Amino acid sequence: DVKVTQSSRYLVKRTGEKVFLECVQDMDHENMFWYRQDPGLGLRLIYFSYDVKMKEKGDIPEGYSVSREKKERFSLILESASTNQTSMYLCASSLEAGGYYEQYFGPGTRLTVT
Amino acid sequence: ILNVEQSPQSLHVQEGDSTNFTCSFPSSNFYALHWYRWETAKSPEALFVMTLNGDEKKKGRISATLNTKEGYSYLYIKGSQPEDSATYLCGLAWGGYQKVTFGIGTKLQVIP
Repeated sequence: DVKVTQSSRYLVKRTGEKVFLECVQDMDHENMFWYRQDPGLGLRLIYFSYDVKMKEKGDIPEGYSVSREKKERFSLILESASTNQTSMYLCASSLEAGGYYEQYFGPGTRLTVT
Repeated sequence: ILNVEQSPQSLHVQEGDSTNFTCSFPSSNFYALHWYRWETAKSPEALFVMTLNGDEKKKGRISATLNTKEGYSYLYIKGSQPEDSATYLCGLAWGGYQKVTFGIGTKLQVIP
């Protein structure tokens, strides 16, 4: 079974803090993604990575950066956390199989910025 | 940004009822349409990958169809059970590395 783990289920941080959300997958997947999920807005893509040290912006990258130094690990960084970044953050990884990519999700990190 | 719409946003049905919900999208220029089930406190898990016009997939009591010409996919649940209660996400895979744009989901509650 593919396993995608995230470092914390719940996190509370203060405005202005630098926040790191970590994601690890154990199946050698090439692609990794960070989403946030908000009521009424669904899952929105923040950043994704298609290889080590390679990244692309998603739909809502403002206020975030990412790091992928090793294939299995993809970090989301909030340089200076703000209250509007309070959200559920989900990590996913995917691998091509038969011409299509299926995403496997982690359990999510619920971040509260106060 | 691709716009993927799901309806209804929420649904309550009685145990044993059959139900269906819709995913609609504006473009036929995509690789695949994905359906995921997301239960509370768990990770979203893949249900189906739909790839061709007229594609139909089935897993137990759940099935899905895809109409790329008219821009919609239906998910059907036959004889709903309480364990079917979840949010059902539809996502369109497009562009480089087939990144997925998701709809807001349909939250299904099956009442025993």
